[in-house]
Amino acid sequence: EIVLTQSPATLSLSPGERATLSCRASESVSRYLAWYQQKPGQAPRLLIYDASIRATGIPARFSGRGSGTDFTLTISSLEPEDFAIYYCQQRYNWPPWTFGQGTKVEI
Amino acid sequence: EVQLLESGGALVQPGGSLRLSCVASGFTFSDYAMNWVRQAPGRGLEWVSVIGYTGSSTYYADSVKGRFTVSRDNAENALYLQMNSLRADDTAMYYCARDLRPRLAADSNGNWFDPWGQGTLVTVSS
Repeated sequence: EIVLTQSPATLSLSPGERATLSCRASESVSRYLAWYQQKPGQAPRLLIYDASIRATGIPARFSGRGSGTDFTLTISSLEPEDFAIYYCQQRYNWPPWTFGQGTKVEI
Repeated sequence: EVQLLESGGALVQPGGSLRLSCVASGFTFSDYAMNWVRQAPGRGLEWVSVIGYTGSSTYYADSVKGRFTVSRDNAENALYLQMNSLRADDTAMYYCARDLRPRLAADSNGNWFDPWGQGTLVTVSS
């Protein structure tokens, strides 16, 4: 099973600041990595897939990069609605599909 | 608008059974593989199961294999999860989630969970 390790566990920033979240895979997942955002009491929402493609309706301030084992989600300038938990997920090595443990972006 | 609506969550005793449902609307249900993903209280996300768009292929996480069964009714636009021999560690919010890309095999690489339903809560406790 591929283990995804996200860092940091918590990121404390202010609106307008840049957020950089990391996801490291225990073995290569090529570019088969996605990022999801989850706000309290809500279901997760797909932000980025195939490492760098923004999902429909996702603002341009969200960007993803990486391949192999190291991936980054960047939020260029935090908006108040961006404070949430972010999960990475791989869908390369079957089974199973796995998620990282999450990074909380807090004010 | 694409929508997924789960139901069936409840409080159940250890060893009991429960059947979750997810009704889809706003897209051609029979074109997409469908997944169940769960989240224990205060914890992260865990993929549980996937069923192919025809219903002929199914896969499970090791943690539920042999106890849970996923199925679908394409005529009714419905996805199901039959959960047997429930344990305390099955307590979680259960989400159904569609695969992003249509008409791909259930175990295909590079397909993603989008969209998600709002979830239904399963509590296993005596």
